[in-house]
Amino acid sequence: SQTIHQWPATLVQPVGSPLSLECTVEGTSNPNLYWYRQAAGRGLQLLFYSVGIGQISSEVPQNLSASRPQDRQFILSSKKLLLSDSGFYLCAGGRVSLGYEQYFGPGTRLTVT
Amino acid sequence: AQSVTQLGSHVSVSEGALVLLRCNYSSSVPPYLFWYVQYPNQGLQLLLKYTTGATLVKGINGFEAEFKKSETSFHLTKPSAHMSDAAEYFCASQGGNNRLAFGKGNQVVVIP
Repeated sequence: SQTIHQWPATLVQPVGSPLSLECTVEGTSNPNLYWYRQAAGRGLQLLFYSVGIGQISSEVPQNLSASRPQDRQFILSSKKLLLSDSGFYLCAGGRVSLGYEQYFGPGTRLTVT
Repeated sequence: AQSVTQLGSHVSVSEGALVLLRCNYSSSVPPYLFWYVQYPNQGLQLLLKYTTGATLVKGINGFEAEFKKSETSFHLTKPSAHMSDAAEYFCASQGGNNRLAFGKGNQVVVIP
């Protein structure tokens, strides 16, 4: 099965600072990869997904961007953080050929101050 | 587009009592369906899934769910709640374009 690694586990950043969150996948090749955000009491919001290297689909226009430089690496970035970017960020991976289920990483708690 | 409805953001259940979390999906064809559990400050963990075949699906930690096409439902149950079942639970169905459609989640509180 797949294992999703994310780091850091927690992050406190000032408004206006840059952001880079990294996600790597172990145990499968050519996965679909996803970035989600959870704000308190608001469920899961899909931010980006990728079906291959360099292929990024954005779900919500916002202050964030994503990149996939390697098959098993997915990066979430921002040039200038906003207070509203605070939340719990989850990376997930899955393969349609394996039944659509997604495997989730442990998450990063981002607090923008 | 697919959508999933979970009613009642918070669900309280007494220890030892039945846990029932409701999930309804919108789809013109039977979708793949999932239940995930999330403990505080952790990622989501797959509890169980329905793809095809047997409509009663058994998962981890004593949970099970039944797919009912006529009711477009996939409710999650556990006969006897434990304190360790306190967590948030998400129902999901396959969406379009390689995505999952998630419900808003149920926060389960177990009362001793």
